Amino acid sequence: RKEVEQDPGPFNVPEGATVAFNCTYSNSASQSFFWYRQDCRKEPKLLMSVYSSGNEDGRFTAQLNRASQYISLLIRDSKLSDSATYLCVVTIYNFNKFYFGSGTKLNVKP
Amino acid sequence: ETGVTQTPRHLVMGMTNKKSLKCEQHLGHNAMYWYKQSAKKPLELMFVYNFKEQTENNSVPSRFSPECPNSSHLFLHLHTLQPEDSALYLCASSQDIGDRSTGELFFGEGSRLTVL
Repeated sequence: RKEVEQDPGPFNVPEGATVAFNCTYSNSASQSFFWYRQDCRKEPKLLMSVYSSGNEDGRFTAQLNRASQYISLLIRDSKLSDSATYLCVVTIYNFNKFYFGSGTKLNVKP
Repeated sequence: ETGVTQTPRHLVMGMTNKKSLKCEQHLGHNAMYWYKQSAKKPLELMFVYNFKEQTENNSVPSRFSPECPNSSHLFLHLHTLQPEDSALYLCASSQDIGDRSTGELFFGEGSRLTVL
């Protein structure tokens, strides 16, 4: 069973659209949660951490539901530059173990 | 510009070759990682080093051998690899403070390995 599961997509949306990604994790002992972004043929980079109370960074909003063991990312007013693969990441037991989902691909079209 | 540099960026090797991947981090971090990224699969954690000590070996075949001579350098020695080992190998570092972490992994650009 995978530690982290994501819908692989692709999500094809027009510029200006709002799009949401979900991610589920299997281990209830998971401690910290993140969204990373990976551009084509580039390395992953941290987009934002996910806190229990929910958090927002500009057009991006992340939510965590511990009871249902899922994490979400909402992108408002999509830009062409948002096209990338979004990776859901959880840490388990200690902070040296970062488990990645396989990613959700987003294509924002003009 | 990345604080984590990997060399070589591309490597083609035969199954009987021996080669090494090198990673260097310039961020003063105390934890370093090797991840494998294959097409359509999630990043797979291979090895973790914390303060130069290996704290994780994620059931990786012995044909992959890591080495961490100091907290800023990490190597992955490769020998008698198989074609299915062809993938992008990503090095990362983080700052781990006891039971706390910034939660941010800083990745190198990766070494793309092709095994013939």
